[in-house]
Amino acid sequence: DAMVIQNPRYQVTQFGKPVTLSCSQTLNHNVMYWYQQKSSQAPKLLFHYYDKDFNNEADTPDNFQSRRPNTSFCFLDIRSPGLGDAAMYLCATRPPSTDTQYFGPGTRLTVL
Amino acid sequence: AQSVAQPEDQVNVAEGNPLTVKCTYSVSGNPYLFWYVQYPNRGLQFLLKYITGDNLVKGSYGFEAEFNKSQTSFHLKKPSALVSDSALYFCAVRRGRNYGQNFVFGPGTRLSVLP
Repeated sequence: DAMVIQNPRYQVTQFGKPVTLSCSQTLNHNVMYWYQQKSSQAPKLLFHYYDKDFNNEADTPDNFQSRRPNTSFCFLDIRSPGLGDAAMYLCATRPPSTDTQYFGPGTRLTVL
Repeated sequence: AQSVAQPEDQVNVAEGNPLTVKCTYSVSGNPYLFWYVQYPNRGLQFLLKYITGDNLVKGSYGFEAEFNKSQTSFHLKKPSALVSDSALYFCAVRRGRNYGQNFVFGPGTRLSVLP
């Protein structure tokens, strides 16, 4: 039973063409995270939501935006993808008062 | 600032042998340490964590980790490796004492268990 679902699993886009990645959860967790992970590197936190409160990491480029219309869904928008944005994008959730993050399977983004 | 080091990019071990994946950390204050595993083309899975208490922490899939404050280490161990343990392992530290603090991940260690 999938708990953190990411769609699509593989996404191909063209240089400069906007793309949206989606994440949904059945856990009803109030915290949601987006990470970028380049090949065999550590995940890098882009931003996170605590409920509707949006928290951007200081070094996240403006090209990356996010929306969370409700508890279950969170979207990552890349306004003008560059070749350097090709990566695995991981969504994770966390319930309050615990440390454990629950990760989705990721979306692998290819930029042509 | 909190940081995590994993000194080995790659660890190879024969099936049935004990394995160790190393992690050292640098934090101000008490450390909150985690291990996650990532299988190919999958998200990260939580293995275990150290917050306080016993220095030996037991986790999922037979893994355990030993917290050593004097050596600022949190090495992941398993007494008998399986081929299915082959994956990418990440050590992480929480930035602060509150649950709202985010993780800093180490660079990862690729474990290969050879049949």
